[in-house]
Amino acid sequence: GAGVSQSPSNKVTEKGKDVELRCDPISGHTALYWYRQSLGQGLEFLIYFQGNSAPDKSGLPSDRFSAERTGGSVSTLTIQRTQQEDSAVYLCASSLGGLAGEQFFGPGTRLTVL
Amino acid sequence: DAKTTQPTSMDCAEGRAANLPCNHSTISGNEYVYWYRQIHSQGPQYIIHGLKNNETNEMASLIITEDRKSSTLILPHATLRDTAVYYCIVRVATGANSKLTFGKGITLSVRP
Repeated sequence: GAGVSQSPSNKVTEKGKDVELRCDPISGHTALYWYRQSLGQGLEFLIYFQGNSAPDKSGLPSDRFSAERTGGSVSTLTIQRTQQEDSAVYLCASSLGGLAGEQFFGPGTRLTVL
Repeated sequence: DAKTTQPTSMDCAEGRAANLPCNHSTISGNEYVYWYRQIHSQGPQYIIHGLKNNETNEMASLIITEDRKSSTLILPHATLRDTAVYYCIVRVATGANSKLTFGKGITLSVRP
């Protein structure tokens, strides 16, 4: 079946512009995660959605970052007034949730802020 | 989540078994051991997980010591496509703490 998809695959923007990154999770997966990976670094957790519960936003680095998940499916990560340090690969993952649910990752969106 | 310690890198010959160690001496009773890998320019891929019993699937085997303070991921017949960064992660299974906390992982290089 279809895996996690993300769009766009690459995004180049100018400093100060807003960007939106999209994630389509696997159908039926109730949990959705956003991570980012800066060049040569490990993955950094950003935000987590589980069903209708309030999202865990503890990983968002600043108030310029926000995310929503509409209808329990598609999610959008928005970065306002982008800065050069926002350049990274943004990865989305989904899981069934529940006991020990493995996470399935999408291919990521490579964001470059000039 | 409990901290894990992995060597920075290792290599093995194609066709041989690759044994990747991980220390997690502060693991709690309700934390699982997970292994993911990330092949260059791709998203992470789940490999296997376990609580206290050894586990095997089509990709790998996971051996967890009796005191659960360390584990070993075994790729029985490594191929060139197994070259990747392998992450050992311990975490509780569900709820608000189910996010993955990735360390630096171990870079496995499989040589011809």
